[in-house]
Amino acid sequence: DAGITQSPRHKVTETGTPVTLRCHQTENHRYMYWYRQDPGHGLRLIHYSYGVKDTDKGEVSDGYSVSRSKTEDFLLTLESATSSQTSVYFCAITLDRGPGELFFGEGSRLTVL
Amino acid sequence: DAKTTQPNSMESNEEEPVHLPCNHSTISGTDYIHWYRQLPSQGPEYVIHGLTSNVNNRMASLAIAEDRKSSTLILHRATLRDAAVYYCILRPTGSARQLTFGSGTQLTVLP
Repeated sequence: DAGITQSPRHKVTETGTPVTLRCHQTENHRYMYWYRQDPGHGLRLIHYSYGVKDTDKGEVSDGYSVSRSKTEDFLLTLESATSSQTSVYFCAITLDRGPGELFFGEGSRLTVL
Repeated sequence: DAKTTQPNSMESNEEEPVHLPCNHSTISGTDYIHWYRQLPSQGPEYVIHGLTSNVNNRMASLAIAEDRKSSTLILHRATLRDAAVYYCILRPTGSARQLTFGSGTQLTVLP
């Protein structure tokens, strides 16, 4: 257990509304990630962070923004949710050095109607 | 970024060994090979990792080709609880940016 919590765990929203998902860690790891998972696509990287205020895009970043104002929190925002963003979102952290395995949160299931 | 290629699906009989392959022909010398698995309705969990030598832990074994361009995750005796999606990824030493996953291999274990 790497002390990762995601909130909310489930959310249903309507097209066009803003949504923010939160990932919280308790161990001050530098690297944090947001992935989305859809049937047939495995895990796809949305954004990642390598420190406070240091973030970068992943492979499917369009329509998403992130912020990291504190080491422990990494926020994923959908400014105007669309039905194509219905997915399960996973947050992950990795240790800073060495082989550093990834630890994942339990996921946040988002449904955009 | 280095990519990995895995078969979409595999089947195994319960209590038999399973060999899950992964190709990573563009691996660099400092990339670790990591394996994760994802059980239904759960987040992925770490299974094993290696750099050059074969590795064993309580969950599985990892066999790495001499040229490091491929690896094989070995489950010695598959159980029904091993039915999951297995992912092979490359994790660079010193930088953990852009850790990308492929679609993984869906392992079905038959009773």
